[in-house]
Amino acid sequence: KQEVTQIPAALSVPEGENLVLNCSFTDSAIYNLQWFRQDPGKGLTSLLLIQSSQREQTSGRLNASLDKSSGRSTLYIAASQPGDSATYLCAVRRDGNNRLAFGKGNQVVVIP
Amino acid sequence: SAVISQKPSRDICQRGTSLTIQCQVDSQVTMMFWYRQQPGQSLTLIATANQGSEATYESGFVIDKFPISRPNLTFSTLTVSNMSPEDSSIYLCSVARTSRNTEAFFGQGTRLTVV
Repeated sequence: KQEVTQIPAALSVPEGENLVLNCSFTDSAIYNLQWFRQDPGKGLTSLLLIQSSQREQTSGRLNASLDKSSGRSTLYIAASQPGDSATYLCAVRRDGNNRLAFGKGNQVVVIP
Repeated sequence: SAVISQKPSRDICQRGTSLTIQCQVDSQVTMMFWYRQQPGQSLTLIATANQGSEATYESGFVIDKFPISRPNLTFSTLTVSNMSPEDSSIYLCSVARTSRNTEAFFGQGTRLTVV
């Protein structure tokens, strides 16, 4: 069974600092990995999708890396802003049927 | 991307009753899924909604409790039956355009409270 762990569970940083969020998974036989953002009481917004053959993906201030062999992914958010405050979820695609296994999330607070 | 409309956005229900949640997508998609997010927990897959056939349920979830319909490629419903307070969760609809390794998109969720 695929298990996904996200560390740290919660963190607070002052505005302008870079954020580093970690995701680990137990089974390296994944199809891809996706990072999401979730605001309180809301649904999920897709941030980045990394295919199993890729090492990283970038979108604006966001950069996600993938080391499949070691079962790790890292989400970097550069120059954090108060609007980045949210919970960030990592999900791995378990099989070719698009079923996702999620971590519990990194709850981020950016202090103005 | 895909625009997903989920209704209702929230509801408070009496125990023993049922609630049907609707998920409408702005374009045809191959894959539709229903997830549950219990308070303080991450998302757990309930089932894959199959167009024109019975849904495929994950371990721990059964059709009698969570009947699912998918009459076409843009619409699905999830019913939470005979509710108890333990069913209080956020229920989320998710879609993927194809069955290959494509991006997943989520609706805004339905926040259900059972009293």
